[in-house]
Amino acid sequence: GEDVEQSLFLSVREGDSSVINCTYTDSSSTYLYWYKQEPGAGLQLLTYIFSNMDMKQDQRLTVLLNKKDKHLSLRIADTQTGDSAIYFCAVYNFNKFYFGSGTKLNVKP
Amino acid sequence: EAQVTQNPRYLITVTGKKLTVTCSQNMNHEYMSWYRQDPGLGLRQIYYSMNVEVTDKGDVPEGYKVSRKEKRNFPLILESPSPNQTSLYFCASSSISSGNTGELFFGEGSRLTVL
Repeated sequence: GEDVEQSLFLSVREGDSSVINCTYTDSSSTYLYWYKQEPGAGLQLLTYIFSNMDMKQDQRLTVLLNKKDKHLSLRIADTQTGDSAIYFCAVYNFNKFYFGSGTKLNVKP
Repeated sequence: EAQVTQNPRYLITVTGKKLTVTCSQNMNHEYMSWYRQDPGLGLRQIYYSMNVEVTDKGDVPEGYKVSRKEKRNFPLILESPSPNQTSLYFCASSSISSGNTGELFFGEGSRLTVL
């Protein structure tokens, strides 16, 4: 199977940028995703990137994909207290979805 | 409203007592899957289904069964629950085909405790 790894915690101040990193092991992964989980809720898709792209920007979110290093990152500009949540990196490969352990983002006022 | 519905949301049971967690989606998605979420381990896929009558094992299938008799329903069955199956379970569905992003739509989760 695929291994997807993330750091467990990130703490930033409101207004700063947050960068959440993820590494994966299988270079044949076709779709890569970032999901957000708020307390007591299921996961919701934040953004995604295809494996043939290097970067994708969507308002405050920027996704960078380094295929050579199998590294995916999510940058949140102007982080707000409402961005506090757990962020999961996920990859899709051969009919299966693989998730990282999730990064808990804490935004301090 | 497009949604994935799981029941029950909370359940406390005892070792060995068979239980079923239901999952239903109203988006006509071909793909459905079950995950368990444990602290520090993220989400791990239990089973998935590419379409009706087609199911396959994920990474942690031991102790679980599924069925896909209808497109909208994908129940998770624990024939003889054990305490190590205490977890938060999520059902999700997706329309995975050429041109789609493969976005997973998640239910709200079912918290299961096995004593």
